Amino acid sequence: DSGVTQTPKHLITATGQRVTLRCSPRSGDLSVYWYQQSLDQGLQFLIQYYNGEERAKGNILERFSAQQFPDLHSELNLSSLELGDSALYFCASSDNRGGTRREKLFFGSGTQLSVL
Amino acid sequence: AQKITQTQPGMFVQEKEAVTLDCTYDTSDPSYGLFWYKQPSSGEMIFLIYQGSYDQQNATEGRYSLNFQKARKSANLVISASQLGDSAMYFCAMREAYQGAQKLVFGQGTRLTINP
Repeated sequence: DSGVTQTPKHLITATGQRVTLRCSPRSGDLSVYWYQQSLDQGLQFLIQYYNGEERAKGNILERFSAQQFPDLHSELNLSSLELGDSALYFCASSDNRGGTRREKLFFGSGTQLSVL
Repeated sequence: AQKITQTQPGMFVQEKEAVTLDCTYDTSDPSYGLFWYKQPSSGEMIFLIYQGSYDQQNATEGRYSLNFQKARKSANLVISASQLGDSAMYFCAMREAYQGAQKLVFGQGTRLTINP
């Protein structure tokens, strides 16, 4: 068990809908990362937060947004969903702000999103 | 350009044999970090091993070792005495500088199947 908790584990929704994925990092970790895993794109970095502030932004669509709350949990909001958004969404945490190459990321079990 | 290349989409190995999973990377940054993660069928991403570009010794973690050949830009994962529970997807990843921070870039993965 990595200590990173993601809910829900599975989500089935329809095109055009909006969903929220939730992540609780390991105790004491200040950084939260979101990744998307799909068959055609592999694992893609979406966004990173450190202690409530956006730290780095990757291949995140404008329809997607995220935030990290004062208690350090994070939410990824996906809106106007399309079939192509179906993927496994991972949250990862670390105790580092992302400035060192030794930083290890600990991943949650992911949320499997199916858009029908 | 592909930053991380895993040339073996799938591998089949007999139980108790050693197995080497290939990974080559591309970077012009002299300081970088290399990681291996395991993703079993249950979906979670499990950290296995880390190698820093300036580390003098090859990294080892139990049955896992990393064959780091810097001049060839390769970081192959070696699993000794394979077990049935080693069957999973294995991802090589590299931390690279990004927007003043670091992000983890993943290869496409190798599916390892251990036969009894």
